[in-house]
Amino acid sequence: DTGVSQDPRHKITKRGQNVTFRCDPISEHNRLYWYRQTLGQGPEFLTYFQNEAQLEKSRLLSDRFSAERPKGSFSTLEIQRTEQGDSAMYLCASSSSKDRDHNEQFFGPGTRLTVL
Amino acid sequence: DAKTTQPPSMDCAEGRAANLPCNHSTISGNEYVYWYRQIHSQGPQYIIHGLKNNETNEMASLIITEDRKSSTLILPHATLRDTAVYYCIVRDSGGYQKVTFGTGTKLQVIP
Repeated sequence: DTGVSQDPRHKITKRGQNVTFRCDPISEHNRLYWYRQTLGQGPEFLTYFQNEAQLEKSRLLSDRFSAERPKGSFSTLEIQRTEQGDSAMYLCASSSSKDRDHNEQFFGPGTRLTVL
Repeated sequence: DAKTTQPPSMDCAEGRAANLPCNHSTISGNEYVYWYRQIHSQGPQYIIHGLKNNETNEMASLIITEDRKSSTLILPHATLRDTAVYYCIVRDSGGYQKVTFGTGTKLQVIP
């Protein structure tokens, strides 16, 4: 399967713990996005990378959140000192800057985080 | 990005056409209409997009009104696997563009 993959698919943690999620984009895609989705809502943008550079961060991305894409391939999203309000689905998407006419984003299956 | 308005839910009989409406009265001239869907417990999936002309692909058809203030996504023969939340989005094409989702339309296909 050559789609976007995310690991883990589910994570249950206790409040105050740190968690880290991984996203592997489609191999030839240089753009990578993180979104968060809470129950009954559409996904909300968190941050965007082009290659290894983080070019935009949403105000939703508090200082407890950090995302990296060190080699311009896979990305990690870390949440420190988790809170119950962090419980959500975290989605990763990727796209290619070579597709000048149409920036279709391909989404992964998501990581569902539950903070107890 | 322009704001869109969609009905919160719709039902459709299996095998019939599903017509999902979307209003985007503040759309600007360089903004495209995109449709994504999200099946339960999966990530969103791109369906189709268009600027002015009607578009068709293997998944669906997109009808955009002449004034571009509204559009309709048509699934010609809905199946149970089409049960999902459908999102209508308007944004510039190309370049980097984050997708701004609303709450979408929950389509239930009924056997």
